[in-house]
Amino acid sequence: DAGITQSPRHKVTETGTPVTLRCHQTENHRYMYWYRQDPGHGLRLIHYSYGVKDTDKGEVSDGYSVSRSKTEDFLLTLESATSSQTSVYFCAITPSGLAGESEQFFGPGTRLTVL
Amino acid sequence: DAKTTQPNSMESNEEEPVHLPCNHSTISGTDYIHWYRQLPSQGPEYVIHGLTSNVNNRMASLAIAEDRKSSTLILHRATLRDAAVYYCILRDVETGANNLFFGTGTRLTVIP
Repeated sequence: DAGITQSPRHKVTETGTPVTLRCHQTENHRYMYWYRQDPGHGLRLIHYSYGVKDTDKGEVSDGYSVSRSKTEDFLLTLESATSSQTSVYFCAITPSGLAGESEQFFGPGTRLTVL
Repeated sequence: DAKTTQPNSMESNEEEPVHLPCNHSTISGTDYIHWYRQLPSQGPEYVIHGLTSNVNNRMASLAIAEDRKSSTLILHRATLRDAAVYYCILRDVETGANNLFFGTGTRLTVIP
């Protein structure tokens, strides 16, 4: 158990509203990630962070922003939610080093529905 | 970016070994081969990873071809709890996180 929690676990919102998802870890790991998972697409990387205030874009970053003001929290924001952002969102961490050398641990996921 | 190819689905009988194949013909010398699995309604779970040599842990074994263009995840005795989607992915240690790609994986069904 890597001590990863996500909140909320489920959310229904309307198109055009802002949404923030929170990932919290208790182990002080440096690297954190946000993925989305959709049928037929597997998991796709949205953004990742390699330290406080250090973030970078992933494969599907358009429409999303992130912030990391504390080591333990990585926030994913949808500034103006759209129906195409209906998905299951997973947060992940890697305990040591770059992802290539280290196993990745995932949170339980947040199911977001945008009406 | 190097990608992987896996069969969409496989079946196995309970308590029999399972060999899950993965092709990665464009793998680079700095790509680690990772396997994860995802049970229904859960986040992905790390299974095993390796670079060149075969690897064993309490969950599974990873057999890597000599040319590294393919690998096989081996579950020695499948149980009903092993029914999941298995992902084979490559992680480039030099470029870091920017080319993580999961794909759609192999759905393993375990038959009692």
